[in-house]
Amino acid sequence: GENVEQHPSTLSVQEGDSAVIKCTYSDSASNYFPWYKQELGKRPQLIIDIRSNVGEKKDQRIAVTLNKTAKHFSLHITETQPEDSAVYFCAASITTGANNLFFGTGTRLTVIP
Amino acid sequence: ETGVTQTPRHLVMGMTNKKSLKCEQHLGHNAMYWYKQSAKKPLELMFVYNFKEQTENNSVPSRFSPECPNSSHLFLHLHTLQPEDSALYLCASSQPRLVRNSYNEQFFGPGTRLTVL
Repeated sequence: GENVEQHPSTLSVQEGDSAVIKCTYSDSASNYFPWYKQELGKRPQLIIDIRSNVGEKKDQRIAVTLNKTAKHFSLHITETQPEDSAVYFCAASITTGANNLFFGTGTRLTVIP
Repeated sequence: ETGVTQTPRHLVMGMTNKKSLKCEQHLGHNAMYWYKQSAKKPLELMFVYNFKEQTENNSVPSRFSPECPNSSHLFLHLHTLQPEDSALYLCASSQPRLVRNSYNEQFFGPGTRLTVL
């Protein structure tokens, strides 16, 4: 089955700096890669996703890049703000089968004011 | 509350107890999921239901028993749990994947924080 690895497990940045979280996946059949944000005590929520037919997607301060050859994808947050502090999860979904997600272990991002 | 709801939000139970977790979605979805979230581990997919039929059981011990009476409700029945089963149990829903290479966003509930003594 699919194996998703995520690094780093914790990340602290100063407000205004950029943050980068990286994930790798094992199954070349995976073609959909969402990122979820989970604030303390709250549910995971989708913040951005990318499909395998594009290499980069941007939404305001958040961007995701995908390298299919290397089987890795990254989340980039620019001009970080304290409200960006949360746990971020990457995930991968395989083309065949059901609508299942395979998650990484999460990155706890702390933005220091 | 709209979206995906879960009850109870917190549950403490002994190893010999029997309890049930409930999930309800108001989004008109036909796929529902149970996940286990433990510290420093990935979100672990436990069960998947599509159109009320179980389509995935991810090698979950039989002390966890799911039930999906209709597309809007999902239960997780618990009995003779172990302390290592203590975790946040998250329910999610989505439209099922009907078209190859398509994907439908999963919406999560707030979770049930389970503690097994």
